[in-house]
Amino acid sequence: DQQVKQNSPSLSVQEGRISILNCDYTNSMFDYFLWYKKYPAEGPTFLISISSIKDKNEDGRFTVFLNKSAKHLSLHIVPSQPGDSAVYFCAASGSFGAGSYQLTFGKGTKLSVIP
Amino acid sequence: DVKVTQSSRYLVKRTGEKVFLECVQDMDHENMFWYRQDPGLGLRLIYFSYDVKMKEKGDIPEGYSVSREKKERFSLILESASTNQTSMYLCASKGDRYEQYFGPGTRLTVT
Repeated sequence: DQQVKQNSPSLSVQEGRISILNCDYTNSMFDYFLWYKKYPAEGPTFLISISSIKDKNEDGRFTVFLNKSAKHLSLHIVPSQPGDSAVYFCAASGSFGAGSYQLTFGKGTKLSVIP
Repeated sequence: DVKVTQSSRYLVKRTGEKVFLECVQDMDHENMFWYRQDPGLGLRLIYFSYDVKMKEKGDIPEGYSVSREKKERFSLILESASTNQTSMYLCASKGDRYEQYFGPGTRLTVT
């Protein structure tokens, strides 16, 4: 069973507009969430994270929102730039036992920002 | 800055060959991981290690083994490579925080 789901395999957005990438999770023991960005033929790079005690975290053009009751998080990129075109992975972690070591990843959403 | 390096960016091997993928991190991290990434399947954990000489199976360990003789080095071994092991292999390391830091990846093709 897939504990972290990114239901949109791809997303196209016009340059300058907002990109919204969504992620849902099923395991209520997850308490920390991360977004990674991956360019082709490169390793994923950490982008932004949020603890379950918060509902929003902002870093420049990137904001992550967490809705614990809905088990849903989203990444907002404003304004979107062509260099943001990449695959974005949502990941989740717990703070207990083996869960504190591992990240559970979604399957990714490919963002294309059109100039 | 955390630096994770992988021994090869691209590798082509024949079916049945023994393949070694090496990963080195320079941040004295306790935890190291091996993933494979395939289109539409995301990142899947093969093995991880939380200390020297310790290893744990991930979600898809079949056909793979690992070795961690030194803290900074974590090796992935394909005992007898098969075509279904053609993939992008990613190594990561993790310290006390939740974030994992990835290497550049090795694109392995098994023919």
